[in-house]
Amino acid sequence: DAGVIQSPRHEVTEMGQEVTLRCKPISGHNSLFWYRQTMMRGLELLIYFNNNVPIDDSGMPEDRFSAKMPNASFSTLKIQPSEPRDSAVYFCASSYGSQISYEQYFGPGTRLTVT
Amino acid sequence: AQRVTQPEKLLSVFKGAPVELKCNYSYSGSPELFWYVQYSRQRLQLLLRHISRESIKGFTADLNKGETSFHLKKPFAQEEDSAMYYCALRSSTLGRLYFGRGTQLTVWP
Repeated sequence: DAGVIQSPRHEVTEMGQEVTLRCKPISGHNSLFWYRQTMMRGLELLIYFNNNVPIDDSGMPEDRFSAKMPNASFSTLKIQPSEPRDSAVYFCASSYGSQISYEQYFGPGTRLTVT
Repeated sequence: AQRVTQPEKLLSVFKGAPVELKCNYSYSGSPELFWYVQYSRQRLQLLLRHISRESIKGFTADLNKGETSFHLKKPFAQEEDSAMYYCALRSSTLGRLYFGRGTQLTVWP
């Protein structure tokens, strides 16, 4: 398995543009997480899906951010319109949730720069 | 409210010296705690979890409920230990992880 796959790896866009980040979780995993990593705030959970259903989106900064998981093998995180303060590394992670083993497997991240 | 605090943003030690990365937490329930590591140009990955009571790459971490701490320790640091380390707490109700801000460890030769 190639692990969690994210695309693009790097994205540079201008303020006001729409940005879509993509994630393919590990096959068989039923939980998917979107995180944002910045120097100031560290690693923050944005939203979390279980069996394709959003469970906790309390970390989504504002209405400009939206996330979807149309099926078990694909998720998107969209920012519209983007702003310079959205510049960060965005990670996707997946896991097979259980009480005993709850390791999250992270993707390589998408480095977003909004100018 | 759940919170994970890593007081040191940066930590430097020399090779062979002991290293301790601090992690404190606040959580009203029974916590499950983890350490994740991100080596340069690699993905964030699980290092160890308190429930396993394991030693990985020479690292250990003991959950101290009295002090609400889960410090990561290694008696003799190696250069390859240089990385960003994140302490995380799992909420038993929601299943999500709460991460600290991370500590960048540098081990000098």
